[in-house]
Amino acid sequence: GIQVEQSPPDLILQEGANSTLRCNFSDSVNNLQWFHQNPWGQLINLFYIPSGTKQNGRLSATTVATERYSLLYISSSQTTDSGVYFCAVENTGNQFYFGTGTSLTVIP
Amino acid sequence: SAVISQKPSRDICQRGTSLTIQCQVDSQVTMMFWYRQQPGQSLTLIATANQGSEATYESGFVIDKFPISRPNLTFSTLTVSNMSPEDSSIYLCSGIGPDYEQYFGPGTRLTVT
Repeated sequence: GIQVEQSPPDLILQEGANSTLRCNFSDSVNNLQWFHQNPWGQLINLFYIPSGTKQNGRLSATTVATERYSLLYISSSQTTDSGVYFCAVENTGNQFYFGTGTSLTVIP
Repeated sequence: SAVISQKPSRDICQRGTSLTIQCQVDSQVTMMFWYRQQPGQSLTLIATANQGSEATYESGFVIDKFPISRPNLTFSTLTVSNMSPEDSSIYLCSGIGPDYEQYFGPGTRLTVT
């Protein structure tokens, strides 16, 4: 299967700081999504982004499919941004693989 | 988007018993999946739930242990059979909406004693 590595594994930010999370994958993919898993365990869609750049408020994401990576940018972080961020990729056989995750803690 | 609910939200079960988890979607989805998430870990795909036919299982997961049904486009069940403490985990169902995005249920937290 596809290997999906995320970095950094853990991140602690002061409220208001910016950050960049990275997702590397080992093979061509049909689909890539970013999720936020809140402290209660619910997975929330952030972006569906197989290629290109998207922005939604303080968050934006860029996927460079030819180089097999995606980046998630968080600007002006807030305590509510805390949780685990996952990227997930879909291969040509409709199988989904989740990354290792980045655990983010935003402190006031 | 799609809203996905799961029942039960949590359960504590004895070794050797079975538990069936239900997943209901509020609108039609093209594909449905079942995942397992161990504490502090990432998600692992168990199987793709196929409507009206046998599920497609990932390596390491078998039908006898995790039988799955999907009788229609909006409902699926996962049974965890003959449970052992190693089956303690969070089980999540998901669906692919018409916008190609994957949506998740809130999960079922299972503890096996």
